[in-house]
Amino acid sequence: EADIYQTPRYLVIGTGKKITLECSQTMGHDKMYWYQQDPGMELHLIHYSYGVNSTEKGDLSSESTVSRIRTEHFPLTLESARPSHTSQYLCASSELAGYNEQFFGPGTRLTVL
Amino acid sequence: AQKVTQAQTEISVVEKEDVTLDCVYETRDTTYYLFWYKQPPSGELVFLIRRNSFDEQNEISGRYSWNFQKSTSSFNFTITASQVVDSAVYFCALSETSGYSTLTFGKGTMLLVSP
Repeated sequence: EADIYQTPRYLVIGTGKKITLECSQTMGHDKMYWYQQDPGMELHLIHYSYGVNSTEKGDLSSESTVSRIRTEHFPLTLESARPSHTSQYLCASSELAGYNEQFFGPGTRLTVL
Repeated sequence: AQKVTQAQTEISVVEKEDVTLDCVYETRDTTYYLFWYKQPPSGELVFLIRRNSFDEQNEISGRYSWNFQKSTSSFNFTITASQVVDSAVYFCALSETSGYSTLTFGKGTMLLVSP
């Protein structure tokens, strides 16, 4: 059973606010990921990490930033939210030496007014 | 470059019908992994299956079955006797075998099962 948590589940916020989406996992996985999902379903990888102090940009350019100070924690920050950031954000994790299957959190649905 | 194509954007069936979700992939790697994920309306992606490229055996799990054909680069997913609870978006994905690789997802197929 995957144990990966995201908070908040839903967030409605005004333009210009700074926000941090939290993601934590208790599986000891080295790799963690952030995806942005369109209303049209497609998943876009925006950030990933191989372990502590490792962060990489994904396939889709994003104005968000991430940090990985602890293995279990991979927060995503938007310094100044805009309506174009309105989306579903999914966090995932996987083992570095495994078969690459990723386990996903429940997601955060962000709405920027 | 890797690519996963799920040509069916949306499929609608009536309960108890069988349905097949298609997945075609492209990769230059000789070894790779293939995956299927389910995303119910609640939003969380649920891992369903992983298949290694060197294992072409088909797999059955209850009402679910997967047909992997390396010759046609396809990894299709069949649900037998569909149920309303099967309504979800289904994603096919591909990765290299390196632990440093990421998943390449298809765009997903939305399955609607009506009573």
